[in-house]
Amino acid sequence: GAGVSQSPSNKVTEKGKDVELRCDPISGHTALYWYRQSLGQGLEFLIYFQGNSAPDKSGLPSDRFSAERTGGSVSTLTIQRTQQEDSAVYLCASSLDNSGLSYEQYFGPGTRLTVT
Amino acid sequence: QQQVKQSPQSLIVQKGGISIINCAYENTAFDYFPWYQQFPGKGPALLIAIRPDVSEKKEGRFTISFNKSAKQFSLHIMDSQPGDSATYFCAASTLYNTDKLIFGTGTRLQVFP
Repeated sequence: GAGVSQSPSNKVTEKGKDVELRCDPISGHTALYWYRQSLGQGLEFLIYFQGNSAPDKSGLPSDRFSAERTGGSVSTLTIQRTQQEDSAVYLCASSLDNSGLSYEQYFGPGTRLTVT
Repeated sequence: QQQVKQSPQSLIVQKGGISIINCAYENTAFDYFPWYQQFPGKGPALLIAIRPDVSEKKEGRFTISFNKSAKQFSLHIMDSQPGDSATYFCAASTLYNTDKLIFGTGTRLQVFP
């Protein structure tokens, strides 16, 4: 079956431009997560959605970062006025929900963002 | 309190050998400890997970050992194969709040034939 998909796979942008990264979760998964993976680093939690609401935005590194989810499905992560330190792989994951036995997070292939 | 420390950063093992990756956590409320495997250009994939009510869990060549008193857990890969070459991440959370998965920094494993 279809897994988590992300687009674009690669994005090169100039410093100061805005970028939008898209995530299509597995159909029926209510929980959606965004992470950032910098070179040689672990996965840094950014934001979590349950349905369309984001109960936990604590990981967003600055107010230049925002995310939304519509229809309980597709999510968009937006980075405004990109900086070179934003360069990383942005990973999206989804799970059936975030409790009990449905907690396995399935990851997409990521979007590699390069800010020049 | 929220950190998960992972070591080593990189590991080179001969084919057929045992690969061992260690993680330590601080938050005693954590009760879910998954390991993820990531190949280049791919997202991480769940490999094996353990809860603290058992000290060991084995799935094929992969075993998690868990030491609750020491707040440590480790991944053992028996009979390591070149196809196991990947980056491995440990993680921790509370089982009923898994939106807060805290990941280690990863171990790059290379298995040479």
